[in-house]
Parts: sequence; structure tokens; C-alpha cells
Amino acid sequence: QKEVEQNSGPLSVPEGAIASLNCTYSDRGSQSFFWYRQYSGKSPELIMFIYSNGDKEDGRFTAQLNKASQYVSLLIRDSQPSDSATYLCAVKLEGGTPLVFGKGTRLSVIA
Amino acid sequence: DAGVTQSPTHLIKTRGQHVTLRCSPISGHKSVSWYQQVLGQGPQFIFQYYEKEERGRGNFPDRFSARQFPNYSSELNVNALLLGDSALYLCASSLGTPQPQHFGDGTRLSIL
Repeated sequence: QKEVEQNSGPLSVPEGAIASLNCTYSDRGSQSFFWYRQYSGKSPELIMFIYSNGDKEDGRFTAQLNKASQYVSLLIRDSQPSDSATYLCAVKLEGGTPLVFGKGTRLSVIA
Repeated sequence: DAGVTQSPTHLIKTRGQHVTLRCSPISGHKSVSWYQQVLGQGPQFIFQYYEKEERGRGNFPDRFSARQFPNYSSELNVNALLLGDSALYLCASSLGTPQPQHFGDGTRLSIL
């Protein structure tokens, strides 16, 4: 059974700090990795995706992938109160397969 | 450009009833997927359609069905509603099946 594991949190960080969100996955054949942000009562919003080992940066967000360790992370630099949300990690086996989501990590950025 | 649009936004039904949820993908997107999200959980995959053909089905009972139309919009149908069907139903579209998926605002379904 394909599983994606995330700490449920809450993860609390002060404003301006780096928030580090982690995700592990069980299926070694996973090829595509996604981070979605979900505000309370809203739908998931795609913020990052990564396909290759290493780091991918987009503004204040950096996704990190280590396929050997089956581990993907999301770093948020200069965290803002508006970053407070649940962050969902999602994984795909190969192109046409559906997303498998973790339960999400709730992030709270304290002003 | 308009994002993924879903209707209705909210819906209240009673046990045993039937419901139809609708989704219009982002213009140019040919793949539509449906997910169910209950409180405190990540979305769970229900169906995926590409070019009007079913490309995947999650672990949901036969009470759940879907289809995709020639204009790539989609419907999710649920028969014989149970209390446990209360959830946020999300539609996501993508250019093709390998591409990142973008979600609509969802339909919040409550079963009384």
C-alpha cells in the first residue's frame, strides 16, 4: 500500500524564521512530488513540485528531494503569518497515476 | 484565466438520496480527477479521466460514478448517500496525466 507520512503538527515558528516541513513516502517507484498549501475551509493550492533529486527554489520556498532516503521536504524562508496553513505532501508513482496525499502538517507562524 | 470551477459550493442531502457534482477544468486542460477530503485527512483519490476515458479509480464503492464530457467538464455522481459521504469533494485538472494538478474550490457535501 502506498503511504505518504507527515507530522500532523502543529509546527510553530516565529515570524521571519525558516519553517521546515518533512514528508516520507513508502513506494520507491515514486517519481513526482508536490507540495500543496491549504488554508482552513479552502481547497489545496499547488505551491511547488519536484521531479529530480536535489533542491528546487521558487521565491521563499525550497523543495528538497532525496529519493534514496524516500524523503521530500519544503523549506519556507522568512516565514510570514500568512503562511499559516496546512501543508500537504503528495506523491505520484508515474505520469498517469493519481496523487497520493499525506494527512498534512499544520504550520503556525507567530507574529 | 479562470481556474477550475465546481458547483454547487455547498450541498445538504439526506441519507439514501443521490447527488451530482460538477466540474469545469482550466481551459486547455484535458485531465480531470476527483478527490474526497474528510476533516483532518488528505484528499483521497476517487476517479481520473483523460480525453473522456476513465484512467483510474480509487477504492470507493460502486455508488460512486463519474464521466467526462466532450468539452472536458466532468460530473461525479454518488447514489444511496450515507452519513460517511459527508466531505469536501475536490476536482482537479491538468494539461495531461503527468502534469501538476490544480484544484477547484470544492463542493462541501453534508449528509443528514
